[in-house]
Amino acid sequence: DAKTTQPTSMDCAEGRAANLPCNHSTISGNEYVYWYRQIHSQGPQYIIHGLKNNETNEMASLIITEDRKSSTLILPHATLRDTAVYYCIVRGITGGGNKLTFGTGTQLKVEL
Amino acid sequence: GAVVSQHPSWVICKSGTSVKIECRSLDFQATTMFWYRQFPKQSLMLMATSNEGSKATYEQGVEKDKFLINHASLTLSTLTVTSAHPEDSSFYICSARDVGLAGGPNTGELFFGEGSRLTVL
Repeated sequence: DAKTTQPTSMDCAEGRAANLPCNHSTISGNEYVYWYRQIHSQGPQYIIHGLKNNETNEMASLIITEDRKSSTLILPHATLRDTAVYYCIVRGITGGGNKLTFGTGTQLKVEL
Repeated sequence: GAVVSQHPSWVICKSGTSVKIECRSLDFQATTMFWYRQFPKQSLMLMATSNEGSKATYEQGVEKDKFLINHASLTLSTLTVTSAHPEDSSFYICSARDVGLAGGPNTGELFFGEGSRLTVL
């Protein structure tokens, strides 16, 4: 699976949009981009995933660049409860048993 | 979304004893479950892949005889930490994929349990 690079930490004011970047320059054609988050002392929570088109759900939006070498997770109106470590993961859907390999992630701190 | 439950949420044990952690998929069947370990301020590290009805596949560096995995049914996998020592103290997390979605448009969303915190004294 392709390796990802994320900033170690980010701050965001409550109510503002949080934009979390991820670089995955070695992504291959059949690999998806997944985002999970982990609130302290809890299991990871699925947020969103995509292949090449931008995606949106009730939690967030995922913007993938045309060359697919980077992506941005957008939390449109961050709240204090969005404070968590956000993991960007790329992987194919075949082989490997669908296991996910976690990097170090981005610690997002949402403040008043 | 699908629910994966772990039990116990936390456990404290004496050094040398064995501890069993259960991972259940509550509303779906899972032929494959994954066990992760997470030390403080670190990321999740995959330990092993648990396969229903067959032996688990362990990641490099993970001792098979120390971390026993059993996946006897489509809704339950167990991780037993044998002869636990203080260095085994960690946050253990399982995940599972809904087999009902295999081959469908879903691209393998995995659901995670709440985690089990083990402290070995």
